[in-house]
Amino acid sequence: EDKVVQSPLSLVVHEGDTVTLNCSYEVTNFRSLLWYKQEKKAPTFLFMLTSSGIEKKSGRLSSILDKKELFSILNITATQTGDSAVYLCAVEAFNGSSNTGKLIFGQGTTLQVKP
Amino acid sequence: GAGVSQTPSNKVTEKGKYVELRCDPISGHTALYWYRQSLGQGPEFLIYFQGTGAADDSGLPNDRFFAVRPEGSVSTLKIQRTERGDSAVYLCASSRLAGGEDTQYFGPGTRLTVL
Repeated sequence: EDKVVQSPLSLVVHEGDTVTLNCSYEVTNFRSLLWYKQEKKAPTFLFMLTSSGIEKKSGRLSSILDKKELFSILNITATQTGDSAVYLCAVEAFNGSSNTGKLIFGQGTTLQVKP
Repeated sequence: GAGVSQTPSNKVTEKGKYVELRCDPISGHTALYWYRQSLGQGPEFLIYFQGTGAADDSGLPNDRFFAVRPEGSVSTLKIQRTERGDSAVYLCASSRLAGGEDTQYFGPGTRLTVL
């Protein structure tokens, strides 16, 4: 059965700290891995990763994928209170001949950044 | 359109009642997805529409759940004979291209509470 596991489940840091969130997966026919940030309601898209070893960056956030070891990390540097949220990792897998694009999510990591 | 919208934002119902949840995708998006998110968990896939047809409904938990997208735009998720275990946030997402070729953008969700 396809699954995605995130760690840690929760994390408390202080402003200015750097954090690393982990996502490991076991899926058949991997297509892509995505990171989302979820505050109150809608998950908002952060990154889509398809190739190993290529870092994607957006401001203080960056992410990289290792398709050999089947994991990804999300780094946040110089954290701010506005980074407090649940960070979701999801994997998309091919589904035979018809690819639906459905996402398999991990449980999420709850990050709290204290002033 | 601006983004994916969902109505109502909150729905409280009694066990055994019928409910309908509505999703308005981003204008021009071909693909539409429904997910369900229980407290402390990541979203779980329910159903995927490509245009008007349900291309993958493998995530629907049982035959009390049904969804339609008659004109290839707005979608309605219908739940018959609701049970307390149906309580969750129901998220809708859309993407420009079908079959996972593009990023999924999520709506704010409908929080369903079954008393």
